[in-house]
Amino acid sequence: NAGVTQTPKFQVLKTGQSMTLQCAQDMNHEYMSWYRQDPGMGLRLIHYSVGAGITDQGEVPNGYNVSRSTTEDFPLRLLSAAPSQTSVYFCASSSGPGVHGYTFGSGTRLTVV
Amino acid sequence: GDSVTQMEGPVTLSEEAFLTINCTYTATGYPSLFWYVQYPGEGLQLLLKATKADDKGSNKGFEATYRKETTSFHLEKGSVQVSDSAVYFCALSDYTGANSKLTFGKGITLSVRP
Repeated sequence: NAGVTQTPKFQVLKTGQSMTLQCAQDMNHEYMSWYRQDPGMGLRLIHYSVGAGITDQGEVPNGYNVSRSTTEDFPLRLLSAAPSQTSVYFCASSSGPGVHGYTFGSGTRLTVV
Repeated sequence: GDSVTQMEGPVTLSEEAFLTINCTYTATGYPSLFWYVQYPGEGLQLLLKATKADDKGSNKGFEATYRKETTSFHLEKGSVQVSDSAVYFCALSDYTGANSKLTFGKGITLSVRP
């Protein structure tokens, strides 16, 4: 049971480039979320999904897109990378956040130069 | 909106000291409350949880009690170890409607010295 798998673990982008952060879970969880972690800011929600085909914006969605075509996968797309998007990104999944909380991946450390 | 406030850090303790990390919350509904721990270079792990008032969550010697009257969920451990050095996050999930989000505090870094 792999849990939540994020790839890549590290990435360096140039300003203006685009890329996709991958997230996959094998627990058949309906709920999935993307967070970014910045020093002194805690974790801030970017986008979330309550099931395949259903996504919604979180606290800091600008500059990011998501889609949920399958239960397992929830990729995060950076449309045109900016230095302000330098951060650690975490994907998480849950069968019921109100009762179980979320299971987190190990993160992707992204640097935009 | 929902919010979580954690005490300012960092916190440095000697091994076997008593630990308290304060957490208070604001929520419009009836939230579930969580403590997560993040070890260096890793993702967040659920440490403990409480889903209703007066519940006590516990794990690995850590405890926290859901206090609705003071809107608090303080984390305690009677005797910390060097291996407890990590970042600790308090979080809530509100039951209202179809809310599926966790709201996190800013986290606090705990360092335990031998």
